Amino acid sequence: EVQLVESGGGLVKPGGSLRVSCAASGFTFSNAWMTWVRQAPGKGLEWVGRIKSKTDGGTTDYAAPVKGRFTISRDDSKNTLYLQMDSLKTEDTAVYYCTTLSYGSLAYWGQGTLVTVSS
Amino acid sequence: QSALTQPASVSGSPGQSITISCTGTSSDVGGYNYVSWYQQHPGKAPKVMIYDVSERPSGVSNRFSGSKSGNTASLTISGLQAEDEADYYCCSYAGSSTYVFGTGTKVTVL
Repeated sequence: EVQLVESGGGLVKPGGSLRVSCAASGFTFSNAWMTWVRQAPGKGLEWVGRIKSKTDGGTTDYAAPVKGRFTISRDDSKNTLYLQMDSLKTEDTAVYYCTTLSYGSLAYWGQGTLVTVSS
Repeated sequence: QSALTQPASVSGSPGQSITISCTGTSSDVGGYNYVSWYQQHPGKAPKVMIYDVSERPSGVSNRFSGSKSGNTASLTISGLQAEDEADYYCCSYAGSSTYVFGTGTKVTVL
């Protein structure tokens, strides 16, 4: 059974940093392309960014609102995906989901972790 | 990249069919066959219902179907059931290795 479990969310002040993690199991993580999607309270879904598998180059791409502030990385030895968030703004407050990505399908989702940016 | 446009709400009676539209541009919906649809119940993670415009994952009811014409994709739910009441989001590949979601549609079963 595929499982994605996010952790590391919490309260952080504007301008601060936070790293959230996503532990994967039930599939060959090293072969998977992964994404982060966020959802602000009461709002819609927003694509944050994507990382390819290392065999496909391991490159990352980001949505414009987070480019230059957020960094996606992976540790295939630990089956874990990371999202490093720097220079956080109040508008980054959201539930952050990790998902698998296969062509155009975000097939599997974690339960999400809440990040609150507030002074 | 602007969000794809969906109606804010759609409603129908049990047994009826409803269709949710998702309008983008030639740079996203119209340019690629990578449109997917997600169902989200309150407090839950989204679940993929349709991918690659019209493909249905195993385990998803055949009451759900997808299509695309030009810059507009559509999700049709036939034989509407109470459990279909949820928020629905479309998503499209938007080029340059980026994706864009729709604004979301609340489906109400009357």
